[in-house]
Amino acid sequence: AQSVTQLDSQVPVFEEAPVELRCNYSSSVSVYLFWYVQYPNQGLQLLLKYLSGSTLVESINGFEAEFNKSQTSFHLRKPSVHISDTAEYFCAVSGAGSYQLTFGKGTKLSVIP
Amino acid sequence: DAGVIQSPRHEVTEMGQEVTLRCKPISGHNSLFWYRQTMMRGLELLIYFNNNVPIDDSGMPEDRFSAKMPNASFSTLKIQPSEPRDSAVYFCASRDQTGASNEQYFGPGTRLTVT
Repeated sequence: AQSVTQLDSQVPVFEEAPVELRCNYSSSVSVYLFWYVQYPNQGLQLLLKYLSGSTLVESINGFEAEFNKSQTSFHLRKPSVHISDTAEYFCAVSGAGSYQLTFGKGTKLSVIP
Repeated sequence: DAGVIQSPRHEVTEMGQEVTLRCKPISGHNSLFWYRQTMMRGLELLIYFNNNVPIDDSGMPEDRFSAKMPNASFSTLKIQPSEPRDSAVYFCASRDQTGASNEQYFGPGTRLTVT
């Protein structure tokens, strides 16, 4: 079984400042890791994913996350946030070959003008 | 591709009434998931179908909840009778099981309010 901990439920940050959203997971097997974003009144959209290979993965809108196996973490970062990044972000883990996605509780990112 | 389609987007009903939520997965996807999202419990998996067959329904909270997938392009989640504590956002998601990852594609959700 897998579990995901998102350490911060809310993160306020000023526009153009950097941000890090933390995610730790536990699993006894190899994992796939995901970050999803949920804008107000919308469904979840995949932001980026780690399956294998390079531990640093990037999204098209400037976010990146690094898989750290020794620390069982998959933190999400962006060097300069924009107002439009205001949303809730969910970290998720899946055992390789498993159908299940286990989600964290989510982190609400609020970008302040 | 239209993505995962859910209807209705909003549903307000009175306690005791039957509620039916509908989902059309992405064409070609052979796995379908129903989730419930609440402030208190976050995202919970209710049921998982593979090739139209229910594989894991351990997340269905009570017998009042039932789900069907009569064909590859349609699924329903029914609550009968509904109760105020069923108020939540219900998401449907689909996946191509033959893909390299477990990436799921979510619909926009149905916001259910039971009064």
